[in-house]
Amino acid sequence: GQQVMQIPQYQHVQEGEDFTTYCNSSTTLSNIQWYKQRPGGHPVFLIQLVKSGEVKKQKRLTFQFGEAKKNSSLHITATQTTDVGTYFCADTSGTYKYIFGTGTRLKVLA
Amino acid sequence: DAGITQSPRHKVTETGTPVTLRCHQTENHRYMYWYRQDPGHGLRLIHYSYGVKDTDKGEVSDGYSVSRSKTEDFLLTLESATSSQTSVYFCAISAMGDTGELFFGEGSRLTVL
Repeated sequence: GQQVMQIPQYQHVQEGEDFTTYCNSSTTLSNIQWYKQRPGGHPVFLIQLVKSGEVKKQKRLTFQFGEAKKNSSLHITATQTTDVGTYFCADTSGTYKYIFGTGTRLKVLA
Repeated sequence: DAGITQSPRHKVTETGTPVTLRCHQTENHRYMYWYRQDPGHGLRLIHYSYGVKDTDKGEVSDGYSVSRSKTEDFLLTLESATSSQTSVYFCAISAMGDTGELFFGEGSRLTVL
């Protein structure tokens, strides 16, 4: 079945440092989505990637979809304390199903 | 925020008792989902629905059943709760199935003693 691995599981960074989380699949992904969950909150949609090699930016966040559509990454430039939370990728390759990675929990030290 | 209400938001129960969690939406979205979230496991899909009375199993469906008799309501039932079902449960909805964004409810924290 669908399986999405996400690394690292945890990341602590100093405020101002960059951060990257990776999402890997053994099978080709149709689309991949990214979500952010603040501590104590619920996941909130960030973006969807559809095309091979696609790169999208949202302010300090850069999302990439691998050329083979088997991996994706989220990069945050110059982290801020507001970036704290858990970032999830979601594989939407299954019929009607969204299968989430295990998440990367980001802590930003001021 | 999308109109999704989960109830109850918090529940403590004993092993062996039945529990029903309710998800109510006001968005008229076709697709509804139940996930559980546990440390180290992320969000795992329990069951999902692609229409009224149309449901299917997710990754971790054992011990859970669901029903959807109306577009707006999706019920998750634990027939006989076990301590391993202690978790935070999230309902989510989508207008487009596997291509649209998921909107999540606030979550229901269930503790099984």
